[in-house]
Amino acid sequence: QSALTQPASVSGSPGQSITISCTGTSSDVGGYNYVSWYQQHPGKAPKLMIYDVSNRPSGVSNRFSGSKSGNTASLTISGLQAEDEADYYCSSYTSSSPLVFGGGTKLTVL
Amino acid sequence: QVQLVESGGGLVEPGGSLRLSCAASGFTFSHYYMSWIRQAPGKGLEWVSYIINSGGTTYYADSVKGRFTISRDNAKNSLYLQMNSLRAEDTAVYFCARLRGLLAAPYYFDYWGQGTQITVSS
Repeated sequence: QSALTQPASVSGSPGQSITISCTGTSSDVGGYNYVSWYQQHPGKAPKLMIYDVSNRPSGVSNRFSGSKSGNTASLTISGLQAEDEADYYCSSYTSSSPLVFGGGTKLTVL
Repeated sequence: QVQLVESGGGLVEPGGSLRLSCAASGFTFSHYYMSWIRQAPGKGLEWVSYIINSGGTTYYADSVKGRFTISRDNAKNSLYLQMNSLRAEDTAVYFCARLRGLLAAPYYFDYWGQGTQITVSS
């Protein structure tokens, strides 16, 4: 099962908004509303930020939002803060695997 | 609060075996699917295996199928991963995670342990 496609890196200045894309196929991202996003700081465990495409778990800042269009899901972080600098991974249910992650995106806050 | 604590990691020679454990607390363990995810040095996350709440159904990534076995003991609130025929490419940090799902389909991981390091090398 091929990983979902994410940009290797994105960057933004404090206060700005950034969007990380996650592209799959109709067998995963496009076919189901079971896309989730995880934040991982260096040496730490991943943390769930978004589930079921656009839902935020309790305790996650409303600066984080998720969406989906066709085979591409997106994570948007608004009002960028230094603490947002981390790696971000998307994941989706698939009809074949049954789970797949994206390759990860390194977010740099300039 | 939900806690997941992995143990059992270490250095093992190629072809060897290792058993990982994950002790769960802070929730009704028997109600949830559980999973193992790994991360090779400097690489991304890779789903390895998951098991439904009853333990009756298990799934594996192709990369570990036939070599790894996931199991659970609901009476002990514990998840396990028996790893046999280990290869250098199995070197990674292994995370235990609680998995939300329905009808044996997995949806997302809502809690993660801190991970345990497995190094396969001679």
